[in-house]
Amino acid sequence: DVKVTQSSRYLVKRTGEKVFLECVQDMDHENMFWYRQDPGLGLRLIYFSYDVKMKEKGDIPEGYSVSREKKERFSLILESASTNQTSMYLCASSSTRDRVFDTQYFGPGTRLTVL
Amino acid sequence: RKEVEQDPGPFNVPEGATVAFNCTYSNSASQSFFWYRQDCRKEPKLLMSVYSSGNEDGRFTAQLNRASQYISLLIRDSKLSDSATYLCVVNTPSTGGFKTIFGAGTRLFVKA
Repeated sequence: DVKVTQSSRYLVKRTGEKVFLECVQDMDHENMFWYRQDPGLGLRLIYFSYDVKMKEKGDIPEGYSVSREKKERFSLILESASTNQTSMYLCASSSTRDRVFDTQYFGPGTRLTVL
Repeated sequence: RKEVEQDPGPFNVPEGATVAFNCTYSNSASQSFFWYRQDCRKEPKLLMSVYSSGNEDGRFTAQLNRASQYISLLIRDSKLSDSATYLCVVNTPSTGGFKTIFGAGTRLFVKA
């Protein structure tokens, strides 16, 4: 079974802190994604990566950065956390080269609260 | 207009009922379609892909209508365990490739 793990289930941080969210997948997937999920808005793509050291902006990249130094690990960084970044953060990975038909496998999510 | 729209519900149905969800998408060039299921406080998981000819998996049937740009999910003989949020997912051509768009989800409550 594909396993995607995230470093924390719950996280509470203060405004202005630097926050690291880590995601690891164990199935040698090429593609990795970071989403945030808010009530009524669904999942919104923050950043994604199709290869090591490669990253592309999603729909809402402002206030975030990412790092992919190893194939299995994709980190989301909030340089200076703000209250409007309080959300559920979901990491996902997928494997096929034909990305149109791929299935995304999600981690359990990190619920981040910024005070 | 949202690129993928779903009725947020909630749908409250008794056990054994048949329930149907629709989802509309705005880009006629969209290429692949899925239904995901998300339990409360859990991550989304693929329920089924949606093919042009329609496809069935046990009590679940998915249909695609390209002319009207909607997909549907039919659940027959609802079980308590079907209670969840159902996400419509569409892969759409985008600059540099494609993008995956998730609907906001439809909540289903199945009651005894």
